[in-house]
Amino acid sequence: GENVEQHPSTLSVQEGDSAVIKCTYSDSASNYFPWYKQELGKGPQLIIDIRSNVGEKKDQRIAVTLNKTAKHFSLHITETQPEDSAVYFCAASTGRRALTFGSGTRLQVQP
Amino acid sequence: GAGVSQSPSNKVTEKGKDVELRCDPISGHTALYWYRQSLGQGLEFLIYFQGNSAPDKSGLPSDRFSAERTGGSVSTLTIQRTQQEDSAVYLCASSPMSGGGNQPQHFGDGTRLSIL
Repeated sequence: GENVEQHPSTLSVQEGDSAVIKCTYSDSASNYFPWYKQELGKGPQLIIDIRSNVGEKKDQRIAVTLNKTAKHFSLHITETQPEDSAVYFCAASTGRRALTFGSGTRLQVQP
Repeated sequence: GAGVSQSPSNKVTEKGKDVELRCDPISGHTALYWYRQSLGQGLEFLIYFQGNSAPDKSGLPSDRFSAERTGGSVSTLTIQRTQQEDSAVYLCASSPMSGGGNQPQHFGDGTRLSIL
């Protein structure tokens, strides 16, 4: 089955800096790649997603890039703010079953 | 608008007892998923309901776990003869269309289950 690896497990940045989280996946048939933000005591919240027919997608300070050849995708957050502090999860799906999640990245933005 | 609702938000029970966890998906969403999240870990797929099709139970860790979805809406996850390793947050998600995992999934805030 699908395996998704996520790095780093923790990331600390200064407010205003950029943050990058990287994921790799194993199943070349995967074609849907969402990113979720999870705050303490809450369920994961979808922040951006990308499909395999697109190489990059941007939404304000958040962007995701996809390299299907290398089977990796990345989340980029620019101009980080303290409220960006949370755990971020990447995921992948072939469409034949539920999402396979990475192990998460705890992002801390220092004011 | 109402999101995915899960109840109870917290459940503490003794080892060996049965528990039922409830999920109310977003109205009109045909797909419903259950995941388990152990402390500080990622999400582990448990079971997936898609419309009237037979559920995908491939993620259930043992036969003590089962789930139902009545009338294509509310779902109940049941854990029989609970063990301490069942302690985790159980998350439910729904998505607007069938088609496996290719539609955005919207999560509830989960049920935090603690087995004493």
